[in-house]
Amino acid sequence: SQQGEEDPQALSIQEGENATMNCSYKTSINNLQWYRQNSGRGLVHLILIRSNEREKHSGRLRVTLDTSKKSSSLLITASRAADTASYFCATDRGPGGYNKLIFGAGTRLAVHP
Amino acid sequence: DVKVTQSSRYLVKRTGEKVFLECVQDMDHENMFWYRQDPGLGLRLIYFSYDVKMKEKGDIPEGYSVSREKKERFSLILESASTNQTSMYLCASDRGSTINQPQHFGDGTRLSIL
Repeated sequence: SQQGEEDPQALSIQEGENATMNCSYKTSINNLQWYRQNSGRGLVHLILIRSNEREKHSGRLRVTLDTSKKSSSLLITASRAADTASYFCATDRGPGGYNKLIFGAGTRLAVHP
Repeated sequence: DVKVTQSSRYLVKRTGEKVFLECVQDMDHENMFWYRQDPGLGLRLIYFSYDVKMKEKGDIPEGYSVSREKKERFSLILESASTNQTSMYLCASDRGSTINQPQHFGDGTRLSIL
């Protein structure tokens, strides 16, 4: 089952611009995570936000979570060519779900020099 | 840093073969996961293990089995490979204990079934 759905599917920007990606989900969650994947590589964890948090920052990354709308956004400020990658949101499955995550289909971000 | 190592980056097999994908993590993590990744579908969970010899089916277990005889190693087995199992396979681990854990991924195995 696919819970997280990212929007847009693809995003193309110039270096220095900000990139915003959105994620929507369907059921109650304990946490939402964002991951990054460079072409042909595994996923790298970026940030985890708990259901009782509204915003979290890590370097140039800012994540917001709105549980009433079941949505999250990832903002990358002052983007660089090295930020070119696919970005995925993932949610847990609620109580008793261990840490099994449900991933969305991802947003492909291209940052042009 | 946690390291999750998948034994092969690329693998080509024939239909009907029994295929083994190996994954090793070096951080004494409790949980290990196998996903497959297909374009437009994101990652889908195949199997999950929360302890040695303990396993649980994920969302798409059909045609797969797993083995976890040692804590650090989690194997995915394609019992009789078929062309629709051509995909990117990703292994991940986390330290368990609570649900709010990041997962750590290997670099993936791109498997082609001919």
